[in-house]
Amino acid sequence: GENVEQHPSTLSVQEGDSAVIKCTYSDSASNYFPWYKQELGKRPQLIIDIRSNVGEKKDQRIAVTLNKTAKHFSLHITETQPEDSAVYFCAASIRGNTGKLIFGQGTTLQVKP
Amino acid sequence: GAGVSQSPSNKVTEKGKDVELRCDPISGHTALYWYRQSLGQGLEFLIYFQGNSAPDKSGLPSDRFSAERTGGSVSTLTIQRTQQEDSAVYLCASSPQQYQETQYFGPGTRLLVL
Repeated sequence: GENVEQHPSTLSVQEGDSAVIKCTYSDSASNYFPWYKQELGKRPQLIIDIRSNVGEKKDQRIAVTLNKTAKHFSLHITETQPEDSAVYFCAASIRGNTGKLIFGQGTTLQVKP
Repeated sequence: GAGVSQSPSNKVTEKGKDVELRCDPISGHTALYWYRQSLGQGLEFLIYFQGNSAPDKSGLPSDRFSAERTGGSVSTLTIQRTQQEDSAVYLCASSPQQYQETQYFGPGTRLLVL
């Protein structure tokens, strides 16, 4: 069935460094790839998304890249800050235009001051 | 405006009892999704509604799980004869339509089955 693999499961960086989280997906028909941030005890919140007709998208310190041929996409956070510490989830849509998302297992990012 | 709301925020129940979890989506959102998040895990898709119809129920773990949506708005997820493995956070999300649309999540209901 459809699957999204996310790596690493945990990531620790120093404040100011960059962080990169990578995901691969199995469904070649996937065409929508959102990233969610979930702080402890809170709801997931969308931080950035990319659609299959775009290779890269940037929003201030956050960027996402997509390689459809290789079926992988990545989240890049530059100049990390302690408030970036959270669990990050990638997701991929599946065929059928239902909006159904398959989520990765999550990456716990710790930014050390 | 108001976001997605869920109730109750926490529910403790005994094994074998039935529970009902409620989701109020953002007004005007036609698509509604239920997910389950076990401790330290990702989000597991359960069921999706477009209006009052559920075209995709593929994620429901067993026939003890059911969901309905009325008036194109409020949705209820029912778990019958709860088991300890049902313990998790149940998240609801809504989106304006369905295709390539941002899903806005509620705060979740934390279910503990003793």
